[in-house]
Amino acid sequence: EPEVTQTPSHQVTQMGQEVILRCVPISNHLYFYWYRQILGQKVEFLVSFYNNEISEKSEIFDDQFSVERPDGSNFTLKIRSTKLEDSAMYFCASRPGLARGEQYFGPGTRLTVT
Amino acid sequence: AQRVTQPEKLLSVFKGAPVELKCNYSYSGSPELFWYVQYSRQRLQLLLRHISRESIKGFTADLNKGETSFHLKKPFAQEEDSAMYYCALRNAGGTSYGKLTFGQGTILTVHP
Repeated sequence: EPEVTQTPSHQVTQMGQEVILRCVPISNHLYFYWYRQILGQKVEFLVSFYNNEISEKSEIFDDQFSVERPDGSNFTLKIRSTKLEDSAMYFCASRPGLARGEQYFGPGTRLTVT
Repeated sequence: AQRVTQPEKLLSVFKGAPVELKCNYSYSGSPELFWYVQYSRQRLQLLLRHISRESIKGFTADLNKGETSFHLKKPFAQEEDSAMYYCALRNAGGTSYGKLTFGQGTILTVHP
């Protein structure tokens, strides 16, 4: 069964550095998402992406964040200048084009900012 | 604004006992409700959704619009049910791109 994959599984970076988190959604899916979960807190929506553009974003998704689908298969989340509070588990998800299609989640990338 | 509340962070039961994980929501539009489960060291996966009205692994959940609740129930818990359970809401309306709003999650532990 096809799955969403994410790399790396764990990323450690220093404050102020740029990081790129990578996701490969399921191949025929049309909607893509990033969520994050700070340790001990709920899973929070960051951004949705459809038809090669951001369709919706949360207040968390400020100018430090960007998303890209550079080659039709990968879906990346970039954090330009990481802060300590960006430390979290980041989940990618994708869903098919059906109006009520299910979201399929990746295993997550644990980002640690020191 | 949409909000999902799971009042219990931890829930412990013994094998064979009934279990109910509570979920309440706040949303002015037309919601779709889901339960996601995360077993140890595995990814989030959909357990069930209210529009399907089906039972998965013995679990059921009924959407009660009057009480704005979507509690998850199982009559006889099994040890393999031990996991983190998340209730989530999605706007079923036409302008939505399908973002999910999650509750805090409930860690269910089923003791032998």
